[in-house]
Amino acid sequence: GDSVTQMEGPVTLSEEAFLTINCTYTATGYPSLFWYVQYPGEGLQLLLKATKADDKGSNKGFEATYRKETTSFHLEKGSVQVSDSAVYFCALARSGYSTLTFGKGTMLLVSP
Amino acid sequence: EAQVTQNPRYLITVTGKKLTVTCSQNMNHEYMSWYRQDPGLGLRQIYYSMNVEVTDKGDVPEGYKVSRKEKRNFPLILESPSPNQTSLYFCASSSRQGALLNTEAFFGQGTRLTVV
Repeated sequence: GDSVTQMEGPVTLSEEAFLTINCTYTATGYPSLFWYVQYPGEGLQLLLKATKADDKGSNKGFEATYRKETTSFHLEKGSVQVSDSAVYFCALARSGYSTLTFGKGTMLLVSP
Repeated sequence: EAQVTQNPRYLITVTGKKLTVTCSQNMNHEYMSWYRQDPGLGLRQIYYSMNVEVTDKGDVPEGYKVSRKEKRNFPLILESPSPNQTSLYFCASSSRQGALLNTEAFFGQGTRLTVV
């Protein structure tokens, strides 16, 4: 079945540091890939998405590129802020299926 | 404002006492689903609904029921709650344009349930 694997957290960074959160997936066909973010005490919000190979999703300074050859969708940001502290979830939606498969989430903690 | 509203936000109950968590969306979305979030396990889908009167099991449906009598509402029912159902629950909705590929899922703020 489909699965998403994320690096375990927490990831602890200082403000303005470079961020990478790794995500790899297993799925049949050509899934769409997503990053969702969950701020403390809130529900999940879509951060960015990519629907086909080599697409780059971007939003709020975050980027991720759909790499079919490595089945990866790593999240990056050049300079994190304290306000980026949250849990980040990688997810996929397989063509023809109306469900999201989530990774376990990676907590990011950014200190001033 | 587009939103998914869950109630209650917090609930403590006793084993075996039936409860319902409500979910309502104001975006006219066809697709709705319920997830539970547990430490170290991420989000796991409980049930989903493709449209009114159409529901199906997700990955962890045991001990839960759902109904979809109206498009906007998708309640989660625990007929006889047990302590292993203590969790954080999220309702989500999205529109359908063929498959889910290009649509964003909107999540409620969550319901923290404790069963003692």
